[in-house]
Amino acid sequence: DSGVTQTPKHLITATGQRVTLRCSPRSGDLSVYWYQQSLDQGLQFLIQYYNGEERAKGNILERFSAQQFPDLHSELNLSSLELGDSALYFCASSVGLGISYNEQFFGPGTRLTVL
Amino acid sequence: AQSVAQPEDQVNVAEGNPLTVKCTYSVSGNPYLFWYVQYPNRGLQFLLKYITGDNLVKGSYGFEAEFNKSQTSFHLKKPSALVSDSALYFCASLRGGGYNKLIFGAGTRLAVHP
Repeated sequence: DSGVTQTPKHLITATGQRVTLRCSPRSGDLSVYWYQQSLDQGLQFLIQYYNGEERAKGNILERFSAQQFPDLHSELNLSSLELGDSALYFCASSVGLGISYNEQFFGPGTRLTVL
Repeated sequence: AQSVAQPEDQVNVAEGNPLTVKCTYSVSGNPYLFWYVQYPNRGLQFLLKYITGDNLVKGSYGFEAEFNKSQTSFHLKKPSALVSDSALYFCASLRGGGYNKLIFGAGTRLAVHP
């Protein structure tokens, strides 16, 4: 158990809908990352937050957004869902920034199925 | 552009034999390299990392990796494979400079046969 929790474990929804994925980082970790794992794209970095502020963006669609709250949990919002958004979404956390503090611990993931 | 390549989709090895999972990297500046393992229906678990120092890095579960700058490789190794090592292995490069995002390879499925 990495200490990172994600809810829900599974999510089934229809095209055009909006969903919210939730992540609680390990106790003491200030940095949260979101990744998407799909068969055709592999594991891709989406976005990073550090202590409530956005720090880096990867291949995140405009239909997707995220935030990190004062208690450090994070939410990933996916809207206007398409079939191609079906994937496993991982949250990871690390202590902070900088190379020495960047061992990322991954949650179990949320499997999103868009029908 | 920074990238990580895992040239083998699958590696098959007999239990008790040594195993190697290959990874090559292409980065600008100093490479910061990681290995993660993913078991079925589980998240990724950190195995080991190379930041600086000794080229041979020891990690969890008896795994080690050898950093080779001239060959731009970071192969994962284990002297004696276990059936329980069967999983999906990812090599990753950290894009530093404040970004801290992991760039993953496509993954290599390791199958250890009894």
